Amino acid sequence: GAVVSQHPSWVICKSGTSVKIECRSLDFQATTMFWYRQFPKQSLMLMATSNEGSKATYEQGVEKDKFLINHASLTLSTLTVTSAHPEDSSFYICSALVGAGRAFFGQGTRLTVV
Amino acid sequence: RKEVEQDPGPFNVPEGATVAFNCTYSNSASQSFFWYRQDCRKEPKLLMSVYSSGNEDGRFTAQLNRASQYISLLIRDSKLSDSATYLCVVSSRPGDMRFGAGTRLTVKP
Repeated sequence: GAVVSQHPSWVICKSGTSVKIECRSLDFQATTMFWYRQFPKQSLMLMATSNEGSKATYEQGVEKDKFLINHASLTLSTLTVTSAHPEDSSFYICSALVGAGRAFFGQGTRLTVV
Repeated sequence: RKEVEQDPGPFNVPEGATVAFNCTYSNSASQSFFWYRQDCRKEPKLLMSVYSSGNEDGRFTAQLNRASQYISLLIRDSKLSDSATYLCVVSSRPGDMRFGAGTRLTVKP
């Protein structure tokens, strides 16, 4: 079946640094990928929709200058958390659509900012 | 009001029990409906799609009531391996998935 690979699975970084998370579709082309964030004991919240070759669409309340999304190819979308702070510590997950709307998720990235 | 609301949980049930989860959604334009399960610190995995006519997959039965904007999941003969958080997911367009907060289920021996 379709596989979405997310890397890294976990990362610890210092406050003020930037962290890049990669989301790859391994055996299919994904023109659209989605980035979610999940805080402990809360639901996944859609952050942005990543479109290959164009600007990402951000959900209300998500700072586009802080969460940079690049979708330069049909198999790769990246999320960069710039100038990370402890409140950005969360579980970040990407997903990609296959066929008529079935979504496959990456393994998730647990970010801890210290 | 949240877009997708679920039973608060947690549910603690013995093996073999039948358990039901409920979910309501606010967007009447929603087109697709799913139940996902999420194990601790893992990504969500599709359990089943939910169709208007209701559908069953083994021990799992899902139902949808569009008029009431209500979705349910019934698990029969619970197994220890069913312990997880169950997420109700609603989508108004492909890929734009809105998640409920999830209901945690623990099945005990």
